[in-house]
Amino acid sequence: KAGVTQTPRYLIKTRGQQVTLSCSPISGHRSVSWYQQTPGQGLQFLFEYFSETQRNKGNFPGRFSGRQFSNSRSEMNVSTLELGDSALYLCASCLGDHMSGANVLTFGAGSRLTVL
Amino acid sequence: AQKVTQAQTEISVVEKEDVTLDCVYETRDTTYYLFWYKQPPSGELVFLIRRNSFDEQNEISGRYSWNFQKSTSSFNFTITASQVVDSAVYFCALSEGNAGNMLTFGGGTRLMVKP
Repeated sequence: KAGVTQTPRYLIKTRGQQVTLSCSPISGHRSVSWYQQTPGQGLQFLFEYFSETQRNKGNFPGRFSGRQFSNSRSEMNVSTLELGDSALYLCASCLGDHMSGANVLTFGAGSRLTVL
Repeated sequence: AQKVTQAQTEISVVEKEDVTLDCVYETRDTTYYLFWYKQPPSGELVFLIRRNSFDEQNEISGRYSWNFQKSTSSFNFTITASQVVDSAVYFCALSEGNAGNMLTFGGGTRLMVKP
């Protein structure tokens, strides 16, 4: 079956612009999470969406937002871009059912954002 | 708050050597889950193993083995007879029982296996 698909794979923006990244989860997966990966801070949790509702949020400013659609596809948006937002943004999906504990996340290849 | 430490930032070995990647975690929860992921140069994180806090049995999968010790809050990963294809960055991660699918990652260990 198809994996987690992220688009675009690479993009370059300038400071002050905004960006929208897209993630299509594995078919049947209802939970989508986003992570930011930078050389300095490593992998950090941004947020998780389940059935179109934000279920968890990491410690990021309000410039970072996301949403999930009824087909479980998700988008994240970063407004007023700063140089420090340059990173690999990883999306992950899972079934989302917590009855059996933490799910195994399947990650996409990421969207690499460069802010100039 | 939860924390994961991977003290080894980079390890270099020669093919066929055994190598152990260390992971130490901190959590106040009694229910938690530990993971290992591999990140090859392509960037995609690949799941290797999940362990819950109630299962301290060591696990072996082919050349990979994991040693979970609650007494030392460690979840170490050993690759036996390493191969060049094992070269990647390896991440240890923790999810607390009430945190859903939110993972706290360690800083990662870059493993380089030379032929």
